[in-house]
Amino acid sequence: ILNVEQSPQSLHVQEGDSTNFTCSFPSSNFYALHWYRWETAKSPEALFVMTLNGDEKKKGRISATLNTKEGYSYLYIKGSQPEDSATYLCAFGNTGGFKTIFGAGTRLFVKA
Amino acid sequence: DARVTQTPRHKVTEMGQEVTMRCQPILGHNTVFWYRQTMMQGLELLAYFRNRAPLDDSGMPKDRFSAEMPDATLATLKIQPSEPRDSAVYFCASGWAGRGAFFGQGTRLTVV
Repeated sequence: ILNVEQSPQSLHVQEGDSTNFTCSFPSSNFYALHWYRWETAKSPEALFVMTLNGDEKKKGRISATLNTKEGYSYLYIKGSQPEDSATYLCAFGNTGGFKTIFGAGTRLFVKA
Repeated sequence: DARVTQTPRHKVTEMGQEVTMRCQPILGHNTVFWYRQTMMQGLELLAYFRNRAPLDDSGMPKDRFSAEMPDATLATLKIQPSEPRDSAVYFCASGWAGRGAFFGQGTRLTVV
């Protein structure tokens, strides 16, 4: 069974705080790890795709790291803003069938 | 601006009726996914096509759900007969195998 776990389930931070959350995935048959940003009433929007152990990606104030050997990825947001409020989904792509399996997401609330 | 197009955006139907949801993937993408979003389960993978062939539909209730790709520009998800527990937002996504996906806007289905 391919299981992708995200923690925490939800997070409340103040504007300006930096925050991070975790995605855990099977360490075998790894192909790619994806992060998506999902705002209410919209469709998920791709943030990053990472394929190599040790990969680090950055987009503005958001960055992500990847450890395929131990099966985790971190997403960091520096200086959170209210517009960062969304659900952040990670998804694991495996070599077996190239499916993309999503975690349940971390719901971020940034208070002004 | 290439995008995944889903129709209809909203559907309200009575229990027992047939529902067909349509998706036009981005031209050139070789994978198509159908996901269902519910409050309880988050984002669940229902079906997955690669090069129009169904590779995995293990997440789909077989007795009432069916997914097809009659050609490269159209994917369909059909529910017959529909039940109130099928009420959810259904997302179609397309992409390249293992490289994440671009999502449509979703079809919000309500079965009364």
